[in-house]
Amino acid sequence: KAGVTQTPRYLIKTRGQQVTLSCSPISGHRSVSWYQQTPGQGLQFLFEYFSETQRNKGNFPGRFSGRQFSNSRSEMNVSTLELGDSALYLCASSFGAGGVETQYFGPGTRLLVL
Amino acid sequence: GIQVEQSPPDLILQEGANSTLRCNFSDSVNNLQWFHQNPWGQLINLFYIPSGTKQNGRLSATTVATERYSLLYISSSQTTDSGVYFCAVDNTDKLIFGTGTRLQVFP
Repeated sequence: KAGVTQTPRYLIKTRGQQVTLSCSPISGHRSVSWYQQTPGQGLQFLFEYFSETQRNKGNFPGRFSGRQFSNSRSEMNVSTLELGDSALYLCASSFGAGGVETQYFGPGTRLLVL
Repeated sequence: GIQVEQSPPDLILQEGANSTLRCNFSDSVNNLQWFHQNPWGQLINLFYIPSGTKQNGRLSATTVATERYSLLYISSSQTTDSGVYFCAVDNTDKLIFGTGTRLQVFP
């Protein structure tokens, strides 16, 4: 089975722009979660989608949003980029909803905001 | 919210040495996973272990849920074991990560 894939792998944007990141889960998995990793804050939960519905959300501003499609692929969008949004964005998939099951992570998207 | 602490923060070993990494958490959990993050940022699942003991080759893990800690053992370490090891727990439908243990293994 193919693993979790994320595109693009690297991205450079300037302040004020917006960005969309994509995540394709493992085939058959219906839950996709997003995490942000920075040197200062570590790994932090952004949100989780299951069956096209947002089930859970972390403590991030409304500039961070996401969605999930009927094939379970997910996108996250960050609007009005700030320097502090520079980070590694990781998505994870699992078969069921919530954090009870094993989550499998993709390779991440490295975002640099200039 | 739940707090997750990992120790030690840094560990330097020579190839062939054994090590123990610890993860303490402040509340009961439904899920506990150990990950290895390689130099390219990929988080690789090592164990899903909310309780009990598991072994996979040179790695093993034990979680004592009643005492709220988990241990990851690495035996006969190799240079490819270098990277950051994270423990992550869940009790509110999302994974909460510890700050990690950075392991460097030298030949």
